Amino acid sequence: KQEVTQIPAALSVPEGENLVLNCSFTDSAIYNLQWFRQDPGKGLTSLLLIQSSQREQTSGRLNASLDKSSGRSTLYIAASQPGDSATYLCAGQSNYQLIWGAGTKLIIKP
Amino acid sequence: NAGVTQTPKFQVLKTGQSMTLQCAQDMNHEYMSWYRQDPGMGLRLIHYSVGAGITDQGEVPNGYNVSRSTTEDFPLRLLSAAPSQTSVYFCASSPQRRDTQYFGPGTRLTVL
Repeated sequence: KQEVTQIPAALSVPEGENLVLNCSFTDSAIYNLQWFRQDPGKGLTSLLLIQSSQREQTSGRLNASLDKSSGRSTLYIAASQPGDSATYLCAGQSNYQLIWGAGTKLIIKP
Repeated sequence: NAGVTQTPKFQVLKTGQSMTLQCAQDMNHEYMSWYRQDPGMGLRLIHYSVGAGITDQGEVPNGYNVSRSTTEDFPLRLLSAAPSQTSVYFCASSPQRRDTQYFGPGTRLTVL
C-alpha cells in the first residue's frame, strides 16, 4: 500500500533563504506526484504536477523534482517571502486515488 | 468561473443527526471527489465519481453516501452523524482522475 511521508512537519526560515521541502513515497508505481499549498482555514491550491515520465517541473520561484527510483520528491522554493508561509502537501497518484502526506508547515520570518 | 463551491462553511451536529454537504463545480469536470482532513494526517478519500451516474468508494466510505445526478453537483450525505466524523471536508474536481485537482474551501463539521 502506498504511503507518503513529509519530513519535517514544520519548518521556520528567515526571509530570502532558499529552501527544500521533502516528500517520500513507498510505491514507485505512481502516475504523477502533485504539490499543493494550503493556507489556514482555506482549501488547497495546486502548485505543480510532475508526470511519472518527468524529472522536474518549474513555476516561478518553485521547482519540483521527482525521483521514482528512490521514492522521493522535493519542492524547492527560491528567495522565500513571508507570503510563502503556508502548509505544503504532496500527494502521489496511484491507479485509483491520490495518497497524501500530512504536510510541512512552513513559516517565513520577515 | 466560481470554480468549486461548498456549503455550508461550518456546521455543528448532534450525534445521530443527518445532513448533506453540498459541492458544485462549473468547470465541466468529469472527476469529483470528497476528502476529509484530520489533524496530523493526510487527506483521506471518502467517495469519488468519474462522471454523472457513476460513484465509487474511497479509503474511508463508512457512514457516508454520495450521488452524482449531474456533472456539476456531488453532494455528500452523513447518514447518522458520529463524533468520529468531526473533521474538515473538502470537495475537489478535475477534468479526469489523474489531472490536477481543484479544491473547494472546505466545510468544518463538528459532531457533539
